[in-house]
Amino acid sequence: EVQLLESGGGLIQPGGSLTLSCAASGFTFTRFTFSNFAMTWVRQAPGKGLEWVSGISGTGGSTYYGDSVKGRFTISRDNFKNTLYLQMTSLRADDTAVYYCAKDVHGGGSYLDSWGQGTLVTVSS
Amino acid sequence: EIVMTQSPATLSVSPGERVTLSCRASQSVSSNLAWYQQKPGQAPRLIIYEASTRATGLPARFSGSGSGTEFTLTISSLQSEDFAVYYCQHYDKWPPFTFGPGTKVDIK
Repeated sequence: EVQLLESGGGLIQPGGSLTLSCAASGFTFTRFTFSNFAMTWVRQAPGKGLEWVSGISGTGGSTYYGDSVKGRFTISRDNFKNTLYLQMTSLRADDTAVYYCAKDVHGGGSYLDSWGQGTLVTVSS
Repeated sequence: EIVMTQSPATLSVSPGERVTLSCRASQSVSSNLAWYQQKPGQAPRLIIYEASTRATGLPARFSGSGSGTEFTLTISSLQSEDFAVYYCQHYDKWPPFTFGPGTKVDIK
């Protein structure tokens, strides 16, 4: 079973930058590796619903962004370290949310069959 | 961008009742539709994919149906552990793979 562990959240001032990480494990005794799966960031503002933020293909060659973060956030991955990243710049109060990383079921975009527990990002002065 | 809507926003039901949740897409997503369950303080959990396929370990009381733009999640006999928020999400063609706003199922 794949486990995902997010880190890097915290309190940041408006206009600041922050990088989130998501470490993936549990591939050791399977025929699949981290690079076989696309990955996604989903966020949830306090008391609100889920918002799809960004996705990246298994190879890292294709990246996608939601309109609300396009041009400010950058998704990347290191398939040697089994780690997903989200670089966030020009942060705004409405970026305040729990950020979840999630594993797609295959190398392209698809539904999300494993989720981390999330990391809270609070943008406030 | 495909817009997903869900109804109702909140459903108050008693244990043992049958529950039907609706999800609608602004354009056809074929059968590329997933449902997730989220309980307070927890991450979402995949329960249905490809509109009607139950995730591993999901009880048979859960079922999904629909294709194109209209989808339904049915819980045949609601159990106490089923009180949660349910989200639909499309994954058709290209991202963003938007979520619906959710339906909260709470105790009457």
